Amino acid sequence: AQSVTQLDSQVPVFEEAPVELRCNYSSSVSVYLFWYVQYPNQGLQLLLKYLSGSTLVKGINGFEAEFNKSQTSFHLRKPSVHISDTAEYFCAVKVTGTASKLTFGTGTRLQVTL
Amino acid sequence: EPEVTQTPSHQVTQMGQEVILRCVPISNHLYFYWYRQILGQKVEFLVSFYNNEISEKSEIFDDQFSVERPDGSNFTLKIRSTKLEDSAMYFCASSPTGGEQQFFGPGTRLTVL
Repeated sequence: AQSVTQLDSQVPVFEEAPVELRCNYSSSVSVYLFWYVQYPNQGLQLLLKYLSGSTLVKGINGFEAEFNKSQTSFHLRKPSVHISDTAEYFCAVKVTGTASKLTFGTGTRLQVTL
Repeated sequence: EPEVTQTPSHQVTQMGQEVILRCVPISNHLYFYWYRQILGQKVEFLVSFYNNEISEKSEIFDDQFSVERPDGSNFTLKIRSTKLEDSAMYFCASSPTGGEQQFFGPGTRLTVL
């Protein structure tokens, strides 16, 4: 079975500051990795995904994440956040090569203030 | 850009009533999923569906739940006798091949009174 840990339930940050949202996963088989964003009262939007290849992946809205196999991590970063980045961020994993489910972490609430 | 749609956006029902949540997946997708998110908690997998059969289900998806693809476009989740703890946001998702990305709908907020 797969599991995802997002240790930070909330991350407060000032506008224009950098941010890192942490994600660690556990799996005995190869997985794909995803970050989804959920704005207030909205659905899940894909930010970025790691399937294979370069371990640094870039997504929408200036976000990027780095896959680290040895540390089983997939941390999300942005060099300068905006107020509009305030949202819930979910890390998720999925077994490669199958039509299996996504397993989500508990989410990190990013709160950007002036 | 094609997207997954869900209706209704918000459903209020009395405990013990049946509800049907509807989804229209992206037209050329073959794999369909339902997830739910209880308020303030993480998104949880309920069921996946392919070739008119359930391919995987979680322990949450008990006999009170069923899924159906009644025609070529809709994908429904039925809860036969709702309980208070069924109150949640229900997300439908679809995938072209099942292998990589799943595309999520905006969700249906179900409130059981």
